[in-house]
Amino acid sequence: QKEVEQDPGPLSVPEGAIVSLNCTYSNSAFQYFMWYRQYSRKGPELLMYTYSSGNKEDGRFTAQVDKSSKYISLFIRDSQPSDSATYLCAMSVRDDKIIFGKGTRLHILP
Amino acid sequence: DTGVSQDPRHKITKRGQNVTFRCDPISEHNRLYWYRQTLGQGPEFLTYFQNEAQLEKSRLLSDRFSAERPKGSFSTLEIQRTEQGDSAMYLCASSFSTDYGYTFGSGTRLTVV
Repeated sequence: QKEVEQDPGPLSVPEGAIVSLNCTYSNSAFQYFMWYRQYSRKGPELLMYTYSSGNKEDGRFTAQVDKSSKYISLFIRDSQPSDSATYLCAMSVRDDKIIFGKGTRLHILP
Repeated sequence: DTGVSQDPRHKITKRGQNVTFRCDPISEHNRLYWYRQTLGQGPEFLTYFQNEAQLEKSRLLSDRFSAERPKGSFSTLEIQRTEQGDSAMYLCASSFSTDYGYTFGSGTRLTVV
């Protein structure tokens, strides 16, 4: 079992829909949880990070962490075609080395 | 300083040749990371530096791979005797130790033929 599991997709949704992206993990020592967005031929860019359990909201994006279930989610409201990208969940035990999921390819259909 | 810079953007090399990549981090960042990403996979950790000290290396970093950060600023990643399995995107990232989340460069895409 990999440390971080993420469905690679692709996931296609119509413009304006709410998108839900998820990851599970096996290492209960993870404390820092992140979501990165990666466009084709670019490096990942940090979207959201949370420490321990709970919710965090930033504009159209909401990140949720449920440590008891070892499950994290990213919600995108009012999705736009420009949100089409690969979304990578990531996590770490301390604030150094980050372990990434495979990434989910998301297509927002105009 | 507009971000993390990686050079070259693309490199095609013949199997058995040595290659070296360079990363220039954001100037005030004291941590620098190297990751490798293959198609359809997330980035895999290779190694990281705090200032000039290399603090951790993945077992993915075989003896053919070496990374340096001689003055705590830019870093180089060298691959000796390249193999076709080394074909990947090599990503560099930097951060400041009291912040969180990395800033990534656009990567160096290596193709070994």
